[in-house]
Amino acid sequence: KAGVTQTPRYLIKTRGQQVTLSCSPISGHRSVSWYQQTPGQGLQFLFEYFSETQRNKGNFPGRFSGRQFSNSRSEMNVSTLELGDSALYLCASSLANPDREAFFGQGTRLTVV
Amino acid sequence: GQSLEQPSEVTAVEGAIVQINCTYQTSGFYGLSWYQQHDGGAPTFLSYNALDGLEETGRFSSFLSRSDSYGYLLLQELQMKDSASYFCARYNTDKLIFGTGTRLQVFP
Repeated sequence: KAGVTQTPRYLIKTRGQQVTLSCSPISGHRSVSWYQQTPGQGLQFLFEYFSETQRNKGNFPGRFSGRQFSNSRSEMNVSTLELGDSALYLCASSLANPDREAFFGQGTRLTVV
Repeated sequence: GQSLEQPSEVTAVEGAIVQINCTYQTSGFYGLSWYQQHDGGAPTFLSYNALDGLEETGRFSSFLSRSDSYGYLLLQELQMKDSASYFCARYNTDKLIFGTGTRLQVFP
């Protein structure tokens, strides 16, 4: 079966703009988690969605938001982009709860200039 | 707290054995997972420990000591393709929290 699909793969935006990233989980998976990965910081948890509801949120400012649709696809949005938002954004899917074995997409590489 | 600590970099030669350590804070801890990520790639699951002891999967083994809040990933018979970043991640039932990662470089 198809894996986790993230689009777009690469994105360049300017400061102050907003961006929307998309994640399609593995078919049948209903939990989607988002992570920000920067050099030296590892993967930092952004939020997790299940059945269109945000169940958990990391320590990120309100400029970072997300949503999940009835088909389990998820989007995350970052408004008023800052240079420090440049990172690889990864999503991970699991059946029902964030699992010890998460399946990751290839990520979206966001560069803010 | 929920942070995890890992060495930033480890180097070794082909055929050798390397151990990547991970210490964690105990609040809400259920288990420890390990992930591998090649440059430009997605993190992929390697192993999970919920109980004390060693879990072996081929050339890779993972160990957990809950009393010491410590675990490690052991890679044996290293190959060039094992050059990657390795992350430990604590499982809290409602989210996975990752360490900062250890970059492993394998030399011929």
